[in-house]
Amino acid sequence: DSGVTQTPKHLITATGQRVTLRCSPRSGDLSVYWYQQSLDQGLQFLIHYYNGEERAKGNILERFSAQQFPDLHSELNLSSLELGDSALYFCASSPREAANYGYTFGSGTRLTVV
Amino acid sequence: AQSVTQLGSHVSVSEGALVLLRCNYSSSVPPYLFWYVQYPNQGLQLLLKYTSAATLVKGINGFEAEFKKSETSFHLTKPSAHMSDAAEYFCAVRVDSGYSTLTFGKGTMLLVSP
Repeated sequence: DSGVTQTPKHLITATGQRVTLRCSPRSGDLSVYWYQQSLDQGLQFLIHYYNGEERAKGNILERFSAQQFPDLHSELNLSSLELGDSALYFCASSPREAANYGYTFGSGTRLTVV
Repeated sequence: AQSVTQLGSHVSVSEGALVLLRCNYSSSVPPYLFWYVQYPNQGLQLLLKYTSAATLVKGINGFEAEFKKSETSFHLTKPSAHMSDAAEYFCAVRVDSGYSTLTFGKGTMLLVSP
């Protein structure tokens, strides 16, 4: 157990729907990062939050949004889902704003859009 | 911009043989470099990290990596492969262009045969 908790582990939904993925960072970590992993694109950085504030955006679609709450958990919202959104979504956390010492990853949420 | 390139999407070794997984980086600043391992249906686990201290870095499970600035390389090695080492391995570099996240290579699948 890495200490980073992601729920749900699996999600199957239909095209056009909206889902919310949840992440609780490791105790004491203030930064949360979201990544998408797919066979063709590999690991793609989506977004980074530090202590409730957005710090960086990567290849995140406009249909996707995220936030980090005062208790430091984070949610990734995916809307108007398309078949191509099927992927593993990982959350990672780190103690500080800078990723100098790496991240701790959760076990991921596998999203299947049908 | 910082990036990493992993040479070889698949590497096959026999149990007991040397493991060598290659990673070359591109960075205009002194890099922070990482190796992660992903077992099937799991998240990524940090194996080791280079943060400008010793150039030979020892990690978990008997793995080590050597930072070679002249070759812009950070190859991962293990003297003797075990069946349990079969997994996907990712090299990553800290991005340092206004924000601080990690960018990952495409991954190398290590196959270990008896």
